[in-house]
Amino acid sequence: SQELEQSPQSLIVQEGKNLTINCTSSKTLYGLYWYKQKYGEGLIFLMMLQKGGEEKSHEKITAKLDEKKQQSSLHITASQPSHAGIYLCGADSHFGNEKLTFGTGTRLTIIP
Amino acid sequence: GAVVSQHPSWVICKSGTSVKIECRSLDFQATTMFWYRQFPKQSLMLMATSNEGSKATYEQGVEKDKFLINHASLTLSTLTVTSAHPEDSSFYICSARDAAGADTGELFFGEGSRLTVL
Repeated sequence: SQELEQSPQSLIVQEGKNLTINCTSSKTLYGLYWYKQKYGEGLIFLMMLQKGGEEKSHEKITAKLDEKKQQSSLHITASQPSHAGIYLCGADSHFGNEKLTFGTGTRLTIIP
Repeated sequence: GAVVSQHPSWVICKSGTSVKIECRSLDFQATTMFWYRQFPKQSLMLMATSNEGSKATYEQGVEKDKFLINHASLTLSTLTVTSAHPEDSSFYICSARDAAGADTGELFFGEGSRLTVL
């Protein structure tokens, strides 16, 4: 089965600083999804990457997928308190497979 | 945008009772929905795939008789935790994708349901 590992497990960053979260797969991915969750709440969809080398940005968040489609990074520029939460990467292994395997999660804390 | 709603948001029940959690796609049809479970400070674990009009597909290690899933319509899937015990206390989240919509890549998640078994 596909496994996703995220690093770091937790991250404490001062407001205004940049940060990067990584997600590594043991197998080639079909699609890689990034979600944000505040614990005890639902998931907020951030981005989905599908092509090797793809990069997407939304506001201050940029996600990249490497050429081999086994590793993705999520980069936040000039972090804000609103960025705090748990970031999860999810992946599906082939087209039409709607069920996702999730990474271990990264807990982000922003210090004012 | 498409919305998936769960009910109840939280529920407290006595050990031995059964609890039903609903997952609804509010403005789209979903032939398939997914149920996840999340323990404190852990990631989501897929429990089962709910298929409209047929039996659910359970992941390895998930007890079918413990977690009953019914997907009676294209907009509703239910998860019933039968004879609940304290170890069943968890956060349960469902997801669905619009079967007829364009492929935006987005899988819609419900708000989650927190179950506490006393």
